[in-house]
Amino acid sequence: GENVEQHPSTLSVQEGDSAVIKCTYSDSASNYFPWYKQELGKRPQLIIDIRSNVGEKKDQRIAVTLNKTAKHFSLHITETQPEDSAVYFCAASIQAGKSTFGDGTTLTVKP
Amino acid sequence: GAVVSQHPSWVICKSGTSVKIECRSLDFQATTMFWYRQFPKQSLMLMATSNEGSKATYEQGVEKDKFLINHASLTLSTLTVTSAHPEDSSFYICSASPHQEQFFGPGTRLTVL
Repeated sequence: GENVEQHPSTLSVQEGDSAVIKCTYSDSASNYFPWYKQELGKRPQLIIDIRSNVGEKKDQRIAVTLNKTAKHFSLHITETQPEDSAVYFCAASIQAGKSTFGDGTTLTVKP
Repeated sequence: GAVVSQHPSWVICKSGTSVKIECRSLDFQATTMFWYRQFPKQSLMLMATSNEGSKATYEQGVEKDKFLINHASLTLSTLTVTSAHPEDSSFYICSASPHQEQFFGPGTRLTVL
């Protein structure tokens, strides 16, 4: 089955700096790659996603890149703010709605 | 976006009892729903795929007789944790997808004493 690895497990940045989280996946059939932000005790919230026919996608301060050949994708957050502090998960999906998640990255943005 | 609800949001039960969790798609029909479990400070792990009108598909290592799934209508799937034990204490989250994007329920915090 699919295996998703995520790094780093923890990331601490100064407010205003950029944060980068990287993931790799194993199954070349995966075609949908969402990123989620999860606050303590709450459901994951989709922040951005990318499909396998696209190499890069941007939404304001958030961007995702995908390298299908290398089977890795990355999340980039620019101009970080304290409210960006949370746990971030990458995921890979073949079937709609059925995702394999990375282990998560705890992002701390220091004011 | 689509809305998925889950009930209850939290439940405390005694060891050996059974607990039922409901997952509903409120504004779309879902022939398939997914059940995840998340232990503290860990990732979401897929437990099973709930299929409307047929048997659920369980992931490796998940006991189908312990985690009973029923998907009797296009908007409702239920997960019953039978003979719950303290190690079953976890955050259970369902999801459904009208398209490829996944919509999660708010989760159910289960504590087994």
